[in-house]
Amino acid sequence: DAGVIQSPRHEVTEMGQEVTLRCKPISGHDYLFWYRQTMMRGLELLIYFNNNVPIDDSGMPEDRFSAKMPNASFSTLKIQPSEPRDSAVYFCASSLGPARDYEQYFGPGTRLTVT
Amino acid sequence: AQKVTQAQTEISVVEKEDVTLDCVYETRDTTYYLFWYKQPPSGELVFLIRRNSFDEQNEISGRYSWNFQKSTSSFNFTITASQVVDSAVYFCALSESKAAGNKLTFGGGTRVLVKP
Repeated sequence: DAGVIQSPRHEVTEMGQEVTLRCKPISGHDYLFWYRQTMMRGLELLIYFNNNVPIDDSGMPEDRFSAKMPNASFSTLKIQPSEPRDSAVYFCASSLGPARDYEQYFGPGTRLTVT
Repeated sequence: AQKVTQAQTEISVVEKEDVTLDCVYETRDTTYYLFWYKQPPSGELVFLIRRNSFDEQNEISGRYSWNFQKSTSSFNFTITASQVVDSAVYFCALSESKAAGNKLTFGGGTRVLVKP
């Protein structure tokens, strides 16, 4: 399997623009997680899906952030409008089951820079 | 609320030295799960180990070993005879058993630099 695929790998955008990050989980994995990594806050869980359904979005920082999973093989994280403080590395991860029972496989991340 | 603390932000060693990374956790749950992940310079996170709270046996995998002590709420990680390829950021993480068990709470990470 190719592993978790994320695109783009790098994104530079101007403040106020819409940004869409994409993720393809490992086939057969029922759980998908979006994380954000910054120097100040470390690794934070933003949202996770089970069988394409959002289960917990309490980590989503603001209404400017939204995530969807229209099918088992694709998820997006959208930021609209983007702000400089959104600059971070965004990781997508997938797993066969709950985080407590199964290892999570992480994608390579998308490095977002908002100027 | 669950919390993971990795007090060492950076450790620098010379190749072949042993290095121990500390991890202290807080949880109110009696059943929980602990993890270590490695983040090499390439950026992706790689799973290393998972441990449940009922299994306090130490584990060894090649040059890696883990020491789990519930009495001190610690889950420390040792790299024996370190190599340059071990240079990375290492994260300890915690997941509880209840509904929130689908969440991983990560520590701040410890950057290990192994010099040749």
